[in-house]
Amino acid sequence: GENVEQHPSTLSVQEGDSAVIKCTYSDSASNYFPWYKQELGKRPQLIIDIRSNVGEKKDQRIAVTLNKTAKHFSLHITETQPEDSAVYFCAASNQGVDDMRFGAGTRLTVKP
Amino acid sequence: DAGVIQSPRHEVTEMGQEVTLRCKPISGHDYLFWYRQTMMRGLELLIYFNNNVPIDDSGMPEDRFSAKMPNASFSTLKIQPSEPRDSAVYFCASSLAAAGEETQYFGPGTRLLVL
Repeated sequence: GENVEQHPSTLSVQEGDSAVIKCTYSDSASNYFPWYKQELGKRPQLIIDIRSNVGEKKDQRIAVTLNKTAKHFSLHITETQPEDSAVYFCAASNQGVDDMRFGAGTRLTVKP
Repeated sequence: DAGVIQSPRHEVTEMGQEVTLRCKPISGHDYLFWYRQTMMRGLELLIYFNNNVPIDDSGMPEDRFSAKMPNASFSTLKIQPSEPRDSAVYFCASSLAAAGEETQYFGPGTRLLVL
């Protein structure tokens, strides 16, 4: 089955700096890669996703890149703000299998 | 739509008691997922349903855990008997289609504490 690894487990940046979180996956058949943001005590919420037919996707300050050959994908947050502080989860799924596997999460702290 | 609804939001119980968690998916969503979240193990998929039918329950930790979906708008996750190591946040999520095709929307979660 799919195995997703996420790094780093914690990340601290200064407000205005960029933050990058990386994930690797094991199943070459995986073709959908969402990223979730979970604030303290709240539910995970989708912030951006990418499918295997695209190498990069951007939405304002966040972007995701996918390297299918290397089986890794990354979340990039530019111009970080204190409200970006949260735990971020990557996930991977195979459209034909239905279920989704999550990374262990990255706790991002943005210092004002 | 109100989104995925879960109840109760918090549950404190004693070891050995039966615990029932409830979920109402978003109307029209054909897939329903139950997840467990702990600090040690992160977010784990326990079981998911497609059109009310359990598809994969390989993530259910033990026979003490069971899940049902009697109709398209309701699902339960039951733990009997509960143990302290079951303490976690349990999330229900639903989606329009398969995980690779559509976004999963999470409920607010049930925070379970077993003493």
